[in-house]
Amino acid sequence: DAKTTQPTSMDCAEGRAANLPCNHSTISGNEYVYWYRQIHSQGPQYIIHGLKNNETNEMASLIITEDRKSSTLILPHATLRDTAVYYCIVRIIQGAQKLVFGQGTRLTINP
Amino acid sequence: DAGITQSPRYKITETGRQVTLMCHQTWSHSYMFWYRQDLGHGLRLIYYSAAADITDKGEVPDGYVVSRSKTENFPLTLESATRSQTSVYFCASSPGLAGYNEQFFGPGTRLTVL
Repeated sequence: DAKTTQPTSMDCAEGRAANLPCNHSTISGNEYVYWYRQIHSQGPQYIIHGLKNNETNEMASLIITEDRKSSTLILPHATLRDTAVYYCIVRIIQGAQKLVFGQGTRLTINP
Repeated sequence: DAGITQSPRYKITETGRQVTLMCHQTWSHSYMFWYRQDLGHGLRLIYYSAAADITDKGEVPDGYVVSRSKTENFPLTLESATRSQTSVYFCASSPGLAGYNEQFFGPGTRLTVL
């Protein structure tokens, strides 16, 4: 699985959009970008995933650059409950199903 | 209740004792996983299972044993607990279907080995 690089920490004001970047310059053609988050003391929670098209669900939007070497997770109206560690993971969609977690980005939403 | 549950939620044991952590899911997901999370290491995969009676090692399997006789259960056993196995353990499951294989995590078990 391709390696990802994320900022260690970020801050965002409540009600504003939180944009979390992820670099994955060695991504292969059959690898997807997945985002999970972990709120303090809880198990990780799936947010969204995509291959090359932008994706949106009820939680977030995922913007993947045309060359697929980077992506941005967007939380459109961040709330205090979105304070968590966010993990960007790149992996193939078939196969052993394993997830390799990096250190993630610690996002703090400020009132 | 539907979902994925872990028991116990908290466990204190002594070095050398055998400990079993339980994981149960009600979705009939094919895949199940065990991770441990330590400060400074993030989540690391211990073992995973693709189906009943099929298991495989992850990144850090030493000192752990798993079994999966039924699809819904995936117990993790520490045969002789060591202090280095003090950690938070998360179980997860996944349908394992193409296009639909996100993992769903349990609430975790906090294990302390004295």
